Amino acid sequence: EVQLVESGGGLVQPGGSLRLSCVASGFTFRKNWMHWVRQAPGKGPVWVSRIKGDGSGVSYADSVEGRFTISRDNADNTLYLQMNSLRVEDTAVYFCARDKAGLDSWGQGTLVIVSS
Amino acid sequence: SYDLTQPPSVSVSPGQTARIPCSGDGLPSQYAYWYQQRPGQAPVLLIFKDKERPSGIPERFSGSSSGTTATLTVSGVQAEDEADYYCQSQDITSTYVIFGGGTKLTVL
Repeated sequence: EVQLVESGGGLVQPGGSLRLSCVASGFTFRKNWMHWVRQAPGKGPVWVSRIKGDGSGVSYADSVEGRFTISRDNADNTLYLQMNSLRVEDTAVYFCARDKAGLDSWGQGTLVIVSS
Repeated sequence: SYDLTQPPSVSVSPGQTARIPCSGDGLPSQYAYWYQQRPGQAPVLLIFKDKERPSGIPERFSGSSSGTTATLTVSGVQAEDEADYYCQSQDITSTYVIFGGGTKLTVL
């Protein structure tokens, strides 16, 4: 059974940093692109970033380019999202998702609140 | 990049057919994907590559795409289908992932 478990969310002040983690199990992690998607309260999902299976290719939404960094450790089956220079508008539940002909498996999400 | 546009809401009676459109300039060259999301839960993939259904998804969910519009069809709508539905695709260069704004399906 595919499982994705996010952690690392919390309350942070504007301008602060957080690192999110997503531990994967139940599939061959290194073979799949992985994504981060966020969802602000009462809003729809918004794509944030993705990374190729071997880590050689990454892309970001314009809204986080230059502030967020996606990475992965295939030895530990873990996906990361380093978030710097956080803004109030980054407040959301952050989901990691596996890409296998669509985002076919999602974690339960971790809540990030950016507030002073 | 481009936007994916969905109607904010669709309402149908139980047993009827609901059709949820998703329009975007990139859809003639990019696949559409559909997700269902119930309150407090993560999205669930319903349709991939325009019309393919993952295992475990009921047959009453189907997808199609023509030109700049992709459509999710829910046949024989049930009360449990009341949820938010999102389309998703990629930009022309396949670099960015795009989500539609979502459609709330209400079962009357």
